[in-house]
Amino acid sequence: DAKTTQPPSMDCAEGRAANLPCNHSTISGNEYVYWYRQIHSQGPQYIIHGLKNNETNEMASLIITEDRKSSTLILPHATLRDTAVYYCIVYTGTASKLTFGTGTRLQVTL
Amino acid sequence: KAGVTQTPRYLIKTRGQQVTLSCSPISGHRSVSWYQQTPGQGLQFLFEYFSETQRNKGNFPGRFSGRQFSNSRSEMNVSTLELGDSALYLCASSLYGRASTDTQYFGPGTRLTVL
Repeated sequence: DAKTTQPPSMDCAEGRAANLPCNHSTISGNEYVYWYRQIHSQGPQYIIHGLKNNETNEMASLIITEDRKSSTLILPHATLRDTAVYYCIVYTGTASKLTFGTGTRLQVTL
Repeated sequence: KAGVTQTPRYLIKTRGQQVTLSCSPISGHRSVSWYQQTPGQGLQFLFEYFSETQRNKGNFPGRFSGRQFSNSRSEMNVSTLELGDSALYLCASSLYGRASTDTQYFGPGTRLTVL
């Protein structure tokens, strides 16, 4: 599975959009981009995933570049409860094996 | 729909003992994966079970084992515990484990402390 690179930490003011980047320059054609977050030692929570098109759900939007080498997770109106570690993962296949990197620690402040 | 449940939530053991952790997947999910999370190594994949068969395995010693029952519930066992086994053990379930169509949903984890 392709490796991902994320900034170790980011800050965001409450109410503003949080844009979390992820680089996956070695992604292959059949690998999906998944985003999870983990709030202080709880189990990771699924946010969104996509293959090539941009995706949106009730939690966030996922923007994938045309060459698929990078993506951005957008939380449109961040709240304090969005403070967490965000993981960008790319994977494929049928093995249900997620390879987590170190993620981005997002701190939302008043 | 009930989420993934894990029992117990907290456990304290001593070196040399063994431990069994349990995971009940979301109803209808057939794939169960286990992960270990430590401050030093982060989240690491242990193994995955599908239809009572181990389908994939991470890079962990043979002291770590698991099984899945016909109702998709899964257990993992760690024998001869070492201090380094202290970790948060997470279980995740999905329908079939396919990246294209399935999403893995995680349980709250079992916090194991080895003294």
